[in-house]
Amino acid sequence: NAGVTQTPKFRVLKTGQSMTLLCAQDMNHEYMYWYRQDPGMGLRLIHYSVGEGTTAKGEVPDGYNVSRLKKQNFLLGLESAAPSQTSVYFCASSYGADLPREQYFGPGTRLTVT
Amino acid sequence: QKEVEQDPGPLSVPEGAIVSLNCTYSNSAFQYFMWYRQYSRKGPELLMYTYSSGNKEDGRFTAQVDKSSKYISLFIRDSQPSDSATYLCAMSSIYNQGGKLIFGQGTELSVKP
Repeated sequence: NAGVTQTPKFRVLKTGQSMTLLCAQDMNHEYMYWYRQDPGMGLRLIHYSVGEGTTAKGEVPDGYNVSRLKKQNFLLGLESAAPSQTSVYFCASSYGADLPREQYFGPGTRLTVT
Repeated sequence: QKEVEQDPGPLSVPEGAIVSLNCTYSNSAFQYFMWYRQYSRKGPELLMYTYSSGNKEDGRFTAQVDKSSKYISLFIRDSQPSDSATYLCAMSSIYNQGGKLIFGQGTELSVKP
């Protein structure tokens, strides 16, 4: 079991460029999440999905879009990157609504926007 | 005011010390309280969780929840250099849509040999 994987691991973008981050999980989890982590800010939820074909906004959704076309994959898109989107992005997944809702995290993607 | 507050540290202790990490929260609906450990340049991983009030022990780690004070703690006994990491508290209730967890800012811990 690979668990939760993320590609790419690192990326440098210029302002205005676009990119897609891919998250894949092999645990048959229903729920998936995208977070960003910035110094002193902890983990902030960008978007999440409670099942294939569904997505919802989290705490900081502006400037990002997501898609969940397959249960095992959750894509995060940046249409026009800005320096404020420089961050470490983590994907996570969980079984579903049953508590305690342990989330399993990927290794992260370090994104720099210049 | 954030729903969950955590002192970001950094916290530096000598090997063998007892470490206390804490979070306060404002939402009385929280029922599940988790501690995640995050090594440098890695994703967070669940260390332990507790339900409602009380204590839970796992080896050198003890988690405590005091719902009356809205305060949770993680104690590490006989701390080791391998415990050096960022520790994040996280909380959830049945009312959190989408199984969302609310995270604290994380406390960076360094255990010196």
